[in-house]
Amino acid sequence: GAVVSQHPSRVICKSGTSVKIECRSLDFQATTMFWYRQFPKQSLMLMATSNEGSKATYEQGVEKDKFLINHASLTLSTLTVTSAHPEDSSFYICSPLGDNTEAFFGQGTRLTVV
Amino acid sequence: KQEVTQIPAALSVPEGENLVLNCSFTDSAIYNLQWFRQDPGKGLTSLLLIQSSQREQTSGRLNASLDKSSGRSTLYIAASQPGDSATYLCAVSNTGNQFYFGTGTSLTVIP
Repeated sequence: GAVVSQHPSRVICKSGTSVKIECRSLDFQATTMFWYRQFPKQSLMLMATSNEGSKATYEQGVEKDKFLINHASLTLSTLTVTSAHPEDSSFYICSPLGDNTEAFFGQGTRLTVV
Repeated sequence: KQEVTQIPAALSVPEGENLVLNCSFTDSAIYNLQWFRQDPGKGLTSLLLIQSSQREQTSGRLNASLDKSSGRSTLYIAASQPGDSATYLCAVSNTGNQFYFGTGTSLTVIP
């Protein structure tokens, strides 16, 4: 399967600071990137969808000014959680989409805001 | 909107048993369905992908079936091993890209 690298795998930050999560598709070009989050004992929920070179589309209830997504290249997308608060603590996972329809996922980032 | 349900939420079996995990979805007009494994605090590992035109897929001890008309899929694990302990997620896609996930089945295989 395709190789997806997401880091950091874990991050603890203070409330009010920003955290950047990187997602790289190492052996294919990702025209589309999906960002999901998973709260404890809940399913993964789509946060936003981005296409390379375009602005991201956010799902209802997800603040676009808080979760900044950059998809400037076909192999790299970043999610920045700005002014993080404890309620943003979650598991964030990226899913780049290439030419086929099989979904690949990063290893995920466990964010804890204290 | 597609809704995906997985039953049971948790399952504990002795090593060597065969088991079945269930997944149901509300919109039968799917493009494909994928089963994943998630280990605690880690990302997702793709197990099996079934296209909408297929009825089943097999990989080693795993067999996934798809009944699109009834909105159901099952994941069959043969001769379970302690290393199979993980959360198993079912996800469906209506368009071939975005996936809708179930809440998962947490499997524990007891040595």
